[in-house]
Amino acid sequence: EQQVQQSPASLVLQEAENAELQCSFSIFTNQVQWFYQRPGGRLVSLLYNPSGTKQSGRLTSTTVIKERRSSLHISSSQITDSGTYLCAMEGNTGNYKYVFGAGTRLKVIA
Amino acid sequence: EAAVTQSPRNKVAVTGGKVTLSCNQTNNHNNMYWYRQDTGHGLRLIHYSYGAGSTEKGDIPDGYKASRPSQENFSLILELATPSQTSVYFCASGDGGESSYEQYFGPGTRLTVL
Repeated sequence: EQQVQQSPASLVLQEAENAELQCSFSIFTNQVQWFYQRPGGRLVSLLYNPSGTKQSGRLTSTTVIKERRSSLHISSSQITDSGTYLCAMEGNTGNYKYVFGAGTRLKVIA
Repeated sequence: EAAVTQSPRNKVAVTGGKVTLSCNQTNNHNNMYWYRQDTGHGLRLIHYSYGAGSTEKGDIPDGYKASRPSQENFSLILELATPSQTSVYFCASGDGGESSYEQYFGPGTRLTVL
């Protein structure tokens, strides 16, 4: 079974601290996307990063295909960053189908 | 970002009843997807489509049918709803081009089957 493992499962930060979220894949993939979700809310695309390093504001993602992993770095965290961060990869059946990780629940406190 | 809408946003159905969940996207994406999200299982793919008239089975298709009558619309149909289908359902769309697999999600439909 194709799997996506995310770590840590949950994380509590003080406001302004940095966070590093990890995603590892059971197969080699070249399609990786990171999403953000508030409880009960829609998934919001943060970064599409199939390889290398991409940045968007305070978010930086690094994907290393040969090591089957991707990371999401959040700098200077804010209370509004609280929520669940999900990563997804394309499975080896191709066909534009994603397999999702279970997510990292982030809580940022004052 | 692509605009994906879903209706209804909330639905209560009775066991054995028929439920239709609708999804509309306005950015002319070829691919559309239906997922369900449950605690402990994450997001799982039910059905997907590559364009009008096409539907494909995802990872958990049993008990569900899909319909893609047009580029914009993709429906998920529960012919005989069961309590195990109580969940939050998300629709997504994506262009599926060689350069990008990005998917864009709708707001979700919370379905309760009593």
